[in-house]
Amino acid sequence: GAVVSQHPSRVICKSGTSVKIECRSLDFQATTMFWYRQFPKQSLMLMATSNEGSKATYEQGVEKDKFLINHASLTLSTLTVTSAHPEDSSFYICSARLDRTEAFFGQGTRLTVV
Amino acid sequence: AQSVAQPEDQVNVAEGNPLTVKCTYSVSGNPYLFWYVQYPNRGLQFLLKYITGDNLVKGSYGFEAEFNKSQTSFHLKKPSALVSDSALYFCAVSYLSGGYNKLIFGAGTRLAVHP
Repeated sequence: GAVVSQHPSRVICKSGTSVKIECRSLDFQATTMFWYRQFPKQSLMLMATSNEGSKATYEQGVEKDKFLINHASLTLSTLTVTSAHPEDSSFYICSARLDRTEAFFGQGTRLTVV
Repeated sequence: AQSVAQPEDQVNVAEGNPLTVKCTYSVSGNPYLFWYVQYPNRGLQFLLKYITGDNLVKGSYGFEAEFNKSQTSFHLKKPSALVSDSALYFCAVSYLSGGYNKLIFGAGTRLAVHP
C-alpha cells in the first residue's frame, strides 16, 4: 500500500510554545488529508480535513486558531499546535486518502507539553 | 448522525480459539467499512475493507469480516487466534459529508489473546 510519513514521531515542548507536525504522502498525491487526535485508551477523533490549496475544514469543537492546518502541496500537510498547553498533550495521527476506498495513516506523533 | 459502535471495550480469547470483534454502524447511503489494528504508540494498520460485492471479506493476517446490511454490522473474525493478534482494533466507516469523504472510527476494542 501507499506510504504516509509523519514527523516527528515524538516531541516534548514547553507550555506556550508552538509545535509543527508534518504529514507527507511519499508515493502518491493526496488532495485530501485528515488529522486525528487520540487520547489514551480512546478512539481517533477527527479534528479537521485538510484540502490542498484551500482552507481546512474543522470538526465541531476544534479550535481552528489553536490547530493551524496548511496543505500547501499535494504531498504535504502540516498541523501546528499554537501556544501549546498540557491539555494539548495527545497522540496525533494524519491520514491521506486516495479516494473513498483507501486511507493510509502516518505513524503518529506523541506530543507532550510540559 | 453518522456513527460507528464497538460495544466491547475488551475481548479475551485463548490462543487457538476463534475470535470475534463486533462492530455496528449508522450511516446514510452505502457505507464503506474498514477494520484497522493499532499497536502501542503506532499508527493504524489496514486489515480489510468492504466496498461492494461479497459480504464476506478476507483480509490480512487471516482476518475476515462479514457485512450484514440488515443488522448494520461488520464483525471482525478469525478462526484461530494468535497471541500476536493482541492489539487495539478499530472499525471505521467512510461516508460523504459536505463534499468530502470522511472516515470515522469506533471507540476501539482491545483484543487480548492468552497462551
